Formats: sequence, structure tokens, C-alpha cells
Amino acid sequence: QSVLTQPPSASGTPGQRVTISCSGSSSNIGSNYVYWYQQLPGTAPKLLIYRNNQRPSGVPDRFSGSKSGTSASLAISGLRSEDEADYYCAAWDDSLSGGVFGGGTKLTVL
Amino acid sequence: QLQLQESGPGLVKPSETLSLTCTVSGGSISSSSYYWGWIRQPPGKGLEWIGSIYYSGSTYYNPSLKSRVTISVDTSKNQFSLKLSSVTAADTAVYYCARQGVAGLFGAFDIWGQGTMVTVSS
Repeated sequence: QSVLTQPPSASGTPGQRVTISCSGSSSNIGSNYVYWYQQLPGTAPKLLIYRNNQRPSGVPDRFSGSKSGTSASLAISGLRSEDEADYYCAAWDDSLSGGVFGGGTKLTVL
Repeated sequence: QLQLQESGPGLVKPSETLSLTCTVSGGSISSSSYYWGWIRQPPGKGLEWIGSIYYSGSTYYNPSLKSRVTISVDTSKNQFSLKLSSVTAADTAVYYCARQGVAGLFGAFDIWGQGTMVTVSS
């Protein structure tokens, strides 16, 4: 059980906007950067968002990250079939003195 | 462009030591801007950070694995390595190496290797 809590699943239809939440505490999200990764089936994870809300070059602006207090969210607008993947949040945890990943959210595009 | 490639045995016996190497190509492991990390993913499960190393040899590990993990770097070969001792079936996973930014206490893993499956079984 991770200290970063994500819903196990999410879904949406093409063109829709979906959000994936990542709930933590003052020792992780509340005081450190949040990162988001996308893992397409059978592939290595890919960095989507760094430092809470920054997109690496090449990541479409349909993906956005936000943080408020001890929670973070990944929003995907204009949902596409190729967005169907697992999404993971990550952050440093001061209490554990280690990096932690959320349990992951499987996004299904209906 | 920078690429990372994991290598090592795909099968390890229980109680033995798992050893993997990550070879960095298309760039230098001695960059001051990055750490180099190991992350694993058991079949059907989520990601777990194992530990990271700087080119100078400075390391930091997941506290839950720290007693069994050693990460080292060989700048002359542009490689870094993972050793995990006393393995059990719970250590069966895909092991990824990745480049990690130095920003914050836990930087972004921005370039990943393709991953290598390691099975612990007699």
C-alpha cells in the first residue's frame, strides 16, 4: 500500500477531459515536487509532468498537472485512444526518507 | 540521443544476489546534472524506486530495500550497476534503469531503459 493514493481506474470517451488524483500527506506531496508518468502497455514509463506542473518537451499540452496542499492531479483534455495507459504519480517522502510512487491508475478510453 | 540499456541474468535463485548493469550511450554518465536510478515493477503491479547514484558515487536508497541493495558506478565504462542480495520470489520484477534529474530531493526520471525481467526461482 503506497503512501500516495491513486484511484485504481478511470475512464472517459474520446474528446472528454479526465482527471486522475494523487492523495498524499504533508511529508510528501505537501512539501515536495510531484511527478507524473505514463506507462503504455508493455513499455517503460514515460515522464509526463515534473515539478508539479511542468511538461517536458514533446509532451502535448493536453496533459497538465496541478497540486494543492497534500493532493495532486493530472488532467488530460481532448482524450484520445492512445492515452489508454497506466498513470503513476511520484514524490519524495520526508518521513520515509525515500522516493515513492502511487499505486497507479489504469485509464480506459471507452 | 541518450539511451539506457539494462543487462544481466534473467533468472536468479532464491537467497542469491541479483546483479544488473545499465549501459548509458549517447551521452556521459559523468554529467553534474543527473543521478542514475533503478526502479522495478513486479508483474501486474506498480512501480517501486530502488535507489539512485551520482557519478561521484554518492548514493541514496529506498529505506525498505537499503539493507540488501548496492548501487555502484563505473564512469570509465559509462555504466552503473545494481546488486540486490538475498533475493526471494518477491523480488521477481521488471527492472528499469533511468536518468534522474537533480532538482529537489527526488528528481524526475526523464529517460528510461526498456527494462529487463528478472525471475527469482530455483
